[in-house]
Amino acid sequence: DQQVKQNSPSLSVQEGRISILNCDYTNSMFDYFLWYKKYPAEGPTFLISISSIKDKNEDGRFTVFLNKSAKHLSLHIVPSQPGDSAVYFCAASERRNTDKLIFGTGTRLQVFP
Amino acid sequence: DVKVTQSSRYLVKRTGEKVFLECVQDMDHENMFWYRQDPGLGLRLIYFSYDVKMKEKGDIPEGYSVSREKKERFSLILESASTNQTSMYLCAIAVGGDGYTFGSGTRLTVV
Repeated sequence: DQQVKQNSPSLSVQEGRISILNCDYTNSMFDYFLWYKKYPAEGPTFLISISSIKDKNEDGRFTVFLNKSAKHLSLHIVPSQPGDSAVYFCAASERRNTDKLIFGTGTRLQVFP
Repeated sequence: DVKVTQSSRYLVKRTGEKVFLECVQDMDHENMFWYRQDPGLGLRLIYFSYDVKMKEKGDIPEGYSVSREKKERFSLILESASTNQTSMYLCAIAVGGDGYTFGSGTRLTVV
């Protein structure tokens, strides 16, 4: 039973354009959501997070949107750069800070020149 | 910044061997986690620990055990390695607001 789903296994975007990565979840108890970025042969690194009391959080080129009624979140990267090419995982937890994170299956983003 | 160190980047083991994967943090965080990453399956939680000598099963604990004798060290044990345990293993600690800090991972191949 996959509680966090990323239905697009891969995405290809031209440099300078917007990348939109999507994530859906089923557990209505989730109240904290995060995005991680992973390069090959490295551990995932934290990118951006959002609490369920917000619907948007922005950090530089990265913006996360949360639609609680649809149980959907998305990560927007504008403008996309070749260095953004990586696997992106969304994750969710029921409580911030201490609870275990449930991860999605990942989306491989490729940004080409 | 906290550092999470996994003792081996690459390991090759034979079927039936007992395998130890070590994870060490350089600070005093309580919550530590072991995940495995497989293509198309994402990161799946194997075991986690909220304190010394404490452990809880994650979503896929079968074939694994863990040990946490000291706060800074969390070990994952494959009791009898099998080929379906070939995977990337990731250790993580909870660091508050930013979720987890991960180690670099151990790529385990069981032959």
